[in-house]
Amino acid sequence: AQSVTQPDIHITVSEGASLELRCNYSYGATPYLFWYVQSPGQGLQLLLKYFSGDTLVQGIKGFEAEFKRSQSSFNLRKPSVHWSDAAEYFCAVGAPGGSYIPTFGRGTSLIVHP
Amino acid sequence: DAGITQSPRYKITETGRQVTLMCHQTWSHSYMFWYRQDLGHGLRLIYYSAAADITDKGEVPDGYVVSRSKTENFPLTLESATRSQTSVYFCAGGAGGANVLTFGAGSRLTVL
Repeated sequence: AQSVTQPDIHITVSEGASLELRCNYSYGATPYLFWYVQSPGQGLQLLLKYFSGDTLVQGIKGFEAEFKRSQSSFNLRKPSVHWSDAAEYFCAVGAPGGSYIPTFGRGTSLIVHP
Repeated sequence: DAGITQSPRYKITETGRQVTLMCHQTWSHSYMFWYRQDLGHGLRLIYYSAAADITDKGEVPDGYVVSRSKTENFPLTLESATRSQTSVYFCAGGAGGANVLTFGAGSRLTVL
């Protein structure tokens, strides 16, 4: 069965610092991978997705993620964090074919210090 | 373009009462989902629907009922609410099959 692990429950960074949120997945083939962001009191919004091709994908709000098959990872990065990036971040794994229900990680809460 | 609309946004009820959370989509996503979000558990899938009149259980279906008579609506009913069902509930629609999800803003339910 597929699974997603986000090893960090909370991450604290200073505004302007770089950010990396970790995501590891377990799946038998090449998965579809996603990062979603949830701002306080809001629903989840898709940040970026990987289906195939270039393993470095660009998303909205200046985020990027890199798919590393050898490490079963899909870490989210941002070179300079803004206070408005404080939110909950969820990694998810899906599968080609469209009928596969995506599995979400438990989320990482990002705290940004001024 | 509203996407996924949930109502009510906030609901307080008492143990034993029936509660229905509504979910409406303005698009034509074939898949729709209900999740609950609780501290320490992330998002847990309650039920999902692949099309009208087709529903299936997720990870935590006990105590919940769903229906999907029309593609655009996917209500979630708690037939007899319990305190453990106090949570934030999210409805989502699936684009490109089930993989890319669009979420509603959530319904915060408190069961006293």
